[in-house]
Amino acid sequence: EADIYQTPRYLVIGTGKKITLECSQTMGHDKMYWYQQDPGMELHLIHYSYGVNSTEKGDLSSESTVSRIRTEHFPLTLESARPSHTSQYLCASSEYGANVLTFGAGSRLTVL
Amino acid sequence: AQTVTQSQPEMSVQEAETVTLSCTYDTSESDYYLFWYKQPPSRQMILVIRQEAYKQQNATENRFSVNFQKAAKSFSLKISDSQLGDAAMYFCAYRSATGANSKLTFGKGITLSVRP
Repeated sequence: EADIYQTPRYLVIGTGKKITLECSQTMGHDKMYWYQQDPGMELHLIHYSYGVNSTEKGDLSSESTVSRIRTEHFPLTLESARPSHTSQYLCASSEYGANVLTFGAGSRLTVL
Repeated sequence: AQTVTQSQPEMSVQEAETVTLSCTYDTSESDYYLFWYKQPPSRQMILVIRQEAYKQQNATENRFSVNFQKAAKSFSLKISDSQLGDAAMYFCAYRSATGANSKLTFGKGITLSVRP
């Protein structure tokens, strides 16, 4: 079944650790996005990609980085996690020119 | 820049009743798309309904319908016959129709609770 998958769903780590949040989609979508969302709060776009080897920063500044080596894969990395990075991270994708986003279930990160 | 405003942070509705969630937006464009997304607790965000600005007819999806007032820049969501499964956070969103790479702008969201 075509979908978008995020792992891990929940992660608790200590300050200074490097983490990678995985996002994969099986729909062949060209566009992929990362949003940051504090609990019960609005979504902020932090990264997006319109295709392989294309990445851009979003509206909200983030210390995270992303890569897009394969169409289906758009991982997000934090080199040195801090408590201020505690949040939910949502991955989404869409077809080129399409209006609708398909979202993953989210990765909830807690940095102690 | 476009902005989307959801001024009510929370609403509550009795099961089987009707509730309307408000959304206003600001844009200088004439062609755009509007959306309502639903985010259930700890679950995937999904599209509820969308509206093309060039269409005068309000979109409808089963129990969900919108009241699109283009001149007033208002886009409210009506949920009829509310069900317990409708409890979620609802986000209004805007996307320009200009350019294939335009991005979604989300409102702050509203938390809807459904009383049994």
